[in-house]
Amino acid sequence: GENVEQHPSTLSVQEGDSAVIKCTYSDSASNYFPWYKQELGKRPQLIIDIRSNVGEKKDQRIAVTLNKTAKHFSLHITETQPEDSAVYFCAASTNPGGAGSYQLTFGKGTKLSVIP
Amino acid sequence: DAGVIQSPRHEVTEMGQEVTLRCKPISGHDYLFWYRQTMMRGLELLIYFNNNVPIDDSGMPEDRFSAKMPNASFSTLKIQPSEPRDSAVYFCASRPEGGSDTIYFGEGSWLTVV
Repeated sequence: GENVEQHPSTLSVQEGDSAVIKCTYSDSASNYFPWYKQELGKRPQLIIDIRSNVGEKKDQRIAVTLNKTAKHFSLHITETQPEDSAVYFCAASTNPGGAGSYQLTFGKGTKLSVIP
Repeated sequence: DAGVIQSPRHEVTEMGQEVTLRCKPISGHDYLFWYRQTMMRGLELLIYFNNNVPIDDSGMPEDRFSAKMPNASFSTLKIQPSEPRDSAVYFCASRPEGGSDTIYFGEGSWLTVV
């Protein structure tokens, strides 16, 4: 099955600086890569996603890049703000075949702290 | 849409008791997932259903765990008997068949077994 590794596990940055979180995946058939943000005591919520036919996607201060050859993808947050403090999860999904089959595998998460 | 609805939000129970967690997926979503989240293991997929049929239950930790989806708008995750190591947040999530691959999480059920 798919294996997703995420680094670093914790990250502290000064407000206004950039933050980068990196993930690698093992299954070359994976074709969809979402990122979720989970605030303390809340549910994970999708913040950005990218498909395997795209190399980069940007939404205001957040961007995701994908390198299919190397099987890694990254989340970039620019001009960080205290409200960006949360746990961020990457994930990789594939449809391995068979009726109704679907896999979405999560990384272990990165706890981002933005220091005012 | 109200989103994925889970109940109870919080439960504290004694070891050995039966626990039933409930989930209502987003209307029209054909996939339903049960995840468990702990500090040590992160987000683990326990089981998922497609069109009410269990597709993959390889993540269910042991026979004490069971899940059902009797219809398209309701699923349960049952733990019997519960143990302290089952303490975790249990998330239900759903996803539509076609279109976006995004899954949408409920607010979670916070379970503490003492």
